[in-house]
Amino acid sequence: RKEVEQDPGPFNVPEGATVAFNCTYSNSASQSFFWYRQDCRKEPKLLMSVYSSGNEDGRFTAQLNRASQYISLLIRDSKLSDSATYLCVVNLGSARQLTFGSGTQLTVLP
Amino acid sequence: DVKVTQSSRYLVKRTGEKVFLECVQDMDHENMFWYRQDPGLGLRLIYFSYDVKMKEKGDIPEGYSVSREKKERFSLILESASTNQTSMYLCASSYGRGVVDTQYFGPGTRLTVL
Repeated sequence: RKEVEQDPGPFNVPEGATVAFNCTYSNSASQSFFWYRQDCRKEPKLLMSVYSSGNEDGRFTAQLNRASQYISLLIRDSKLSDSATYLCVVNLGSARQLTFGSGTQLTVLP
Repeated sequence: DVKVTQSSRYLVKRTGEKVFLECVQDMDHENMFWYRQDPGLGLRLIYFSYDVKMKEKGDIPEGYSVSREKKERFSLILESASTNQTSMYLCASSYGRGVVDTQYFGPGTRLTVL
């Protein structure tokens, strides 16, 4: 079993749609969770951190379910510019190291 | 704004050559990391460093070494390049000791070994 697992997609959605990604992680002692975004042939960039109580940033909502060891990302009112690969990132218990999922590819269609 | 720069965007080398990839960050970050990214495998950690002259192996250190002589600079060395080291190499840095912190990435070096 991969330590951080994501559905690779691709997810192809029309503009304006709501889309959700899930990610599962293997270590129940994990303390830090992030979603990164990676555009084609570019470096990953932080999209948002994921807090225990859940958090929202504009059209993006992240949630954490510790009992089931998964995190989710919800994108509302999808824009063409949201097309990218979304990486689930977890600290699996080792200080300062992060483990990256393989990413979920999203394409928003006009 | 955090800036992480890498010495080359594209590099083509021959099998057996020694390859140096350099990474510089300008935010006085303690931690620096080298990853490689391959399709379907995601980012895999090669080596990391928490301090000058300090290094630790990541998940896939074989065939690589690193050097951190100055806080802002972290170099990845391929002692004898092989074709299976063709990949995208990404450097990252993060802020402090004992803290799991956001990592900031450089633009990447796409290395092709012929």
